[in-house]
Amino acid sequence: EVQLVESGGDLVQPGRSLRLSCTASGFSLNVHGTHWVRQAPGKGLEWVSGIIGNSERIDYADSVKGRFTISRDNAKNSVYLQMNSLRPEDTALYYCANDHTPGGLYYWGQGTLVTVSS
Amino acid sequence: DVVMTQSPLSLPVTLGQPASISCRSSQSVVYSNGNTYLNWLQQRPGQSPRRLIYEVSKRDSGVPDRFSGSGSGTDFTLRISRVEAEDVGVYYCMQGSNWPYTFGQGTKLEIK
Repeated sequence: EVQLVESGGDLVQPGRSLRLSCTASGFSLNVHGTHWVRQAPGKGLEWVSGIIGNSERIDYADSVKGRFTISRDNAKNSVYLQMNSLRPEDTALYYCANDHTPGGLYYWGQGTLVTVSS
Repeated sequence: DVVMTQSPLSLPVTLGQPASISCRSSQSVVYSNGNTYLNWLQQRPGQSPRRLIYEVSKRDSGVPDRFSGSGSGTDFTLRISRVEAEDVGVYYCMQGSNWPYTFGQGTKLEIK
């Protein structure tokens, strides 16, 4: 069965760090781009970061650049998002999504909730 | 960044009637290889997004044929030929031709 599973979301205080994980089963994350997309409560979708191939291309939204780092472990078929210096505005449901076809965001996980609050 | 603008943002539709959502990009989303990575996503209440259409007009596996996509360059449309109850949710256009990927604001489809 094809599945993407995110984990690592939690309630944290502003300024703290969190590491999200995204693990795939039934397909390889290495073939096409894998991305993190977030959705603040009651809001729309926002692309956060993406990685293609063996880190051949990595990029971040301006809102997280310098604070978040995306990485992958091909052996574990996983992608990670290290989030540092978290802010209340980072509060959102974080989805992992894989392109499957170029530029496509086909496979989606169920999301993991990050809440940044004192 | 490419700005994606959808209209309308709210779409009340009678069951069995057609519906149409427009999406306009601030610049061409044709990729250097000639392909246009314009997608339509559906997010039902309480669920993760689901891709319906990719590369403007290609339907994903399992997507009913009442959904269709069209357009080119900067103007795109998602059409539902006959709305069913299960179509309730928010629809997003999304471009993947340029990084960062960008989404429209979302169109909320509801049944009248």
